[in-house]
Amino acid sequence: EVHLLESGGDLVQPGGSLRISCAASGFTFSNYAMNWVRQAPGKGLEWVSEISDRGGSIFYADSVKGRFTISRDNSANTLYLQMNSLRAEDTALYFCAKGICTDVTCYSMFDSWGQGTLVTVSS
Amino acid sequence: DIQMTQTPSTLSASVGDRVTITCRASQNINSWLAWYQQKPGKAPKLLIYRASILASGVPSRFSGSGSGTEFTLAISSLQPDDFATYFCQQCHRYSFTFGGGTNVEIK
Repeated sequence: EVHLLESGGDLVQPGGSLRISCAASGFTFSNYAMNWVRQAPGKGLEWVSEISDRGGSIFYADSVKGRFTISRDNSANTLYLQMNSLRAEDTALYFCAKGICTDVTCYSMFDSWGQGTLVTVSS
Repeated sequence: DIQMTQTPSTLSASVGDRVTITCRASQNINSWLAWYQQKPGKAPKLLIYRASILASGVPSRFSGSGSGTEFTLAISSLQPDDFATYFCQQCHRYSFTFGGGTNVEIK
């Protein structure tokens, strides 16, 4: 069974930094692209970033580009998000999500999600 | 970015009703669309991918249709477990974007 477990969420001051993690199990982590998606309290979903299976391709939402860095350690089955220059509008529940793959190809549509880790940016 | 507009934002329905939710893309996204269900305090769950393919384990009362710019999620006979918020998502082009959500509530 696929399991994604986020950790590292915390209360951070504006301008501060934080690294959150997502530990994966139950599937061959190195075969799948991984994503971060966030949800501000009471709001909708916002895609944040994607990293390809081997880490060679990375994409970011404009709202976090230049401030956030996605990375992965396939030997440790772990996904990371380094967040710098945090703003109040970054306050959200951060989910890691796995892309779906068929026998033929993979899509950036997310068939497994973690339970989320809460990042609060406030003074 | 591609904008995804979901309608309605709230839908009141009864058990057994057929309901439909619409998602419109600001440009052609072919069939690069997914639908998710989310319940309070939980992560989203994938229902439909590639606009019309039912994800594993999803009941057959859910169906998706459409291509290009207009898409529909239908629930043929609403069940008590279906009262939730539904989101569409495009992955045709980075940055991926979600619709604003449709809250399906009990009438």
